[in-house]
Amino acid sequence: NAGVTQTPKFRILKIGQSMTLQCTQDMNHNYMYWYRQDPGMGLKLIYYSVGAGITDKGEVPNGYNVSRSTTEDFPLRLELAAPSQTSVYFCASSYSKGHPRGYTFGSGTRLTVV
Amino acid sequence: QQPVQSPQAVILREGEDAVINCSSSKALYSVHWYRQKHGEAPVFLMILLKGGEQKGHEKISASFNEKKQQSSLYLTASQLSYSGTYFCGTEMDSNYQLIWGAGTKLIIKP
Repeated sequence: NAGVTQTPKFRILKIGQSMTLQCTQDMNHNYMYWYRQDPGMGLKLIYYSVGAGITDKGEVPNGYNVSRSTTEDFPLRLELAAPSQTSVYFCASSYSKGHPRGYTFGSGTRLTVV
Repeated sequence: QQPVQSPQAVILREGEDAVINCSSSKALYSVHWYRQKHGEAPVFLMILLKGGEQKGHEKISASFNEKKQQSSLYLTASQLSYSGTYFCGTEMDSNYQLIWGAGTKLIIKP
């Protein structure tokens, strides 16, 4: 199993550009999440999904959009990139709330907006 | 709503013990513990559900006091490989969000 796969690993965007961060999991997890982590800080939840077709906002959703058309894929869309969106983005997945295996994370996407 | 972790940082000699605390002002459904090494993704250590249980994972164990809404992570006889930043994450009954603490940086010296 590949687990959670994120692409790209690194990206530099110019202010105002848009991009999509891809996230795919092959563990048949129902729940998927997008987090951002600023240097030296904890993770902040951007959006999450409890199943295909169901998404909801987290703590810091402004400037982002998501979709969940399949169980496996949960892409994150950045529209009109701003320097404040410079961060490391992690996608994660889990079977269910409170599952004994917790969350599995992708390796992250390091995004710089200049 | 963000859980409070303490201490912010710990420096130990190899073989010493450490305790990391995580407190919430809200009633919790569960507490997660993860370790993150520099430049890598967080790695799941263990989860504790409401009910006041204790769990163990080799020399790393944790407890959850439901009355105080506080969890503690215990690292016994620390090894160099334990270095990293430890995060707790908390879930409430009412939603599906895992909210993270600010982290505790653990440095183990030989």
